[in-house]
Amino acid sequence: DIQMTQSPSSLSAFVGDRVTITCRASQSISNYLNWYQHKPGKAPKLLIYAASSLQTGVPSRFSGSGSGTDFTLTITTLQPEDFATYYCQQSYSSLYTFGQGTKLEIK
Amino acid sequence: EVQLVESGGGLVQPGGPLRLSCAASGFTLSAYDMHWVRQAPGKGLEWLSYISSTSSTIYYADSVKGRFTISRDNAKNSLYLQMYSLRAEDTAVYYCARWSAAMSNSYYYYMDVWGRGTTVTVSS
Repeated sequence: DIQMTQSPSSLSAFVGDRVTITCRASQSISNYLNWYQHKPGKAPKLLIYAASSLQTGVPSRFSGSGSGTDFTLTITTLQPEDFATYYCQQSYSSLYTFGQGTKLEIK
Repeated sequence: EVQLVESGGGLVQPGGPLRLSCAASGFTLSAYDMHWVRQAPGKGLEWLSYISSTSSTIYYADSVKGRFTISRDNAKNSLYLQMYSLRAEDTAVYYCARWSAAMSNSYYYYMDVWGRGTTVTVSS
């Protein structure tokens, strides 16, 4: 099975900050990597697919990069509505594992 | 509006069964592969199971293999998760999600539509 490891597990930031979340796969997954945002009591929301493609309707302050085993999600100019938990997910193999999540909190 | 609505959650005793449903609206379920994902209290998202559009291909996470069964009825626009031998650690919010694809130099798959979840509590 492919293991997905995110770092950090949590971070605090100010509105207006730029933040980066890292996701590492236990083996190469090319660019078969998705990012989701999840808020309590709500449905998870797709942000990025294919490592760097922005889902329709997602603000351009969200971006993704990486290939192989190392990936990043960057949020520029944090907005109040961006405080949530973020997950990476690999779509390379048939056990579609998620990372453990990164909780982004307001400082 | 494209929507998924889960139902069937509740309180169940350890060892008991429970069947979850996921109703699709605003799109044709038969055109999409589907997933079940859960989130236990204080934990992250855990992928559970996948079913292809025609039910010909099914996958399970090791944590539920042999205890959970995914199925679908495209005529009813519905997805199901039959759960047996439930354990305390199965307590979670259960989500269904649509598996969509974008074509670039390859097909890239992602969960683009999710329900809001149904809560399962396993306790005596």
